[in-house]
Amino acid sequence: GAGVSQSPSNKVTEKGKDVELRCDPISGHTALYWYRQSLGQGLEFLIYFQGNSAPDKSGLPSDRFSAERTGGSVSTLTIQRTQQEDSAVYLCASSLDLAGGLDTQYFGPGTRLTVL
Amino acid sequence: AQRVTQPEKLLSVFKGAPVELKCNYSYSGSPELFWYVQYSRQRLQLLLRHISRESIKGFTADLNKGETSFHLKKPFAQEEDSAMYYCALRRGRRALTFGSGTRLQVQP
Repeated sequence: GAGVSQSPSNKVTEKGKDVELRCDPISGHTALYWYRQSLGQGLEFLIYFQGNSAPDKSGLPSDRFSAERTGGSVSTLTIQRTQQEDSAVYLCASSLDLAGGLDTQYFGPGTRLTVL
Repeated sequence: AQRVTQPEKLLSVFKGAPVELKCNYSYSGSPELFWYVQYSRQRLQLLLRHISRESIKGFTADLNKGETSFHLKKPFAQEEDSAMYYCALRRGRRALTFGSGTRLQVQP
């Protein structure tokens, strides 16, 4: 079946512009995660959606970052007034959110964001 | 707060040599630990999980609660093992906390 998809694959923008990154999770997966992969920073958690629960936003680096998940499926990560330090690969993952160490997160190919 | 440490940024070995990628964690509860791998131009994917105690592609990892470690081992490295390896911890139904990753280079 289809895996997690993300669009666009690459995005180049100017400092100060807003950007929207999209994630289509695997059908039936209740959990959706956004991570950021920066040079020298490794993989950094941003936000986590689980079913109808309030999202865990504890990883968002500033109030310029926001995300929503519509209808329990597609998610959009929005970065307002982009800064050069926002340049990174943004990864989306989805899972069945199993407990007890049995969960597997499936990752998308990422969106490479470059802020000039 | 939980933390995952991978002390080596790069590990270079020759084909056929043993490999050990180190991972230490700090977490007061019962951790769920994983190794994820990213091959060149491929997606990040799960390699193995501590609860399964399985061997995947010849790799094993044992959870040592006393030393708070979850090192990844393989007795004989292959060139196709060259990749970026991430150790990760999950606390309950939450997102993963990743280490900074170790790049494994297996030379012919």
